[in-house]
Amino acid sequence: GNSVTQMEGPVTLSEEAFLTINCTYTATGYPSLFWYVQYPGEGLQLLLKATKADDKGSNKGFEATYRKETTSFHLEKGSVQVSDSAVYFCALSEKTGANNLFFGTGTRLTVIP
Amino acid sequence: DTEVTQTPKHLVMGMTNKKSLKCEQHMGHRAMYWYKQKAKKPPELMFVYSYEKLSINESVPSRFSPECPNSSLLNLHLHALQPEDSALYLCASSPRGVAGVTDTQYFGPGTRLTVL
Repeated sequence: GNSVTQMEGPVTLSEEAFLTINCTYTATGYPSLFWYVQYPGEGLQLLLKATKADDKGSNKGFEATYRKETTSFHLEKGSVQVSDSAVYFCALSEKTGANNLFFGTGTRLTVIP
Repeated sequence: DTEVTQTPKHLVMGMTNKKSLKCEQHMGHRAMYWYKQKAKKPPELMFVYSYEKLSINESVPSRFSPECPNSSLLNLHLHALQPEDSALYLCASSPRGVAGVTDTQYFGPGTRLTVL
């Protein structure tokens, strides 16, 4: 079956620190992988995506590389800001079936000045 | 423009009320989705419409009734809800909604529903 496992939060970092949020997946086929971000009181925003192995998705200083050999899609940012405080969801979508999104449990990030 | 709009932003209703949630997109997307999100949990898929036809119903109770009047609009009709139905209801859309093709879902801001 399909599933996504994210590192447990919450994560608290100081401004300008390096961020890694781990995400691993299990899929029956060749999924597309996504990171969504949810700011307090808002809906989900697509942060970045990768559709095949070795693809790197990047946006707003965040990046993640689709690693088929380790079934991972870890999110990284070199220098976080207070405005990055949010919940981050890793998700996958299989190409072989309906376009269901399978979400991880979410990781809450708090960045302190 | 990757905007999905949802109304109302907040809704409070009693268990005997009938209300509707509305979702709209003007990106020409052919698939639309309803999700339910409880606090500190990921979204859970409820319904999927593909080319205005209901393609997935994730065993949602009949007190939730979806409707897709056209390719831009998606409604969720609510009747006789329970307090445990209180949640953030998210709408999403994606360009193709066809099996076998990678699609990206774009989410609206959600409707926060409270059932008293």
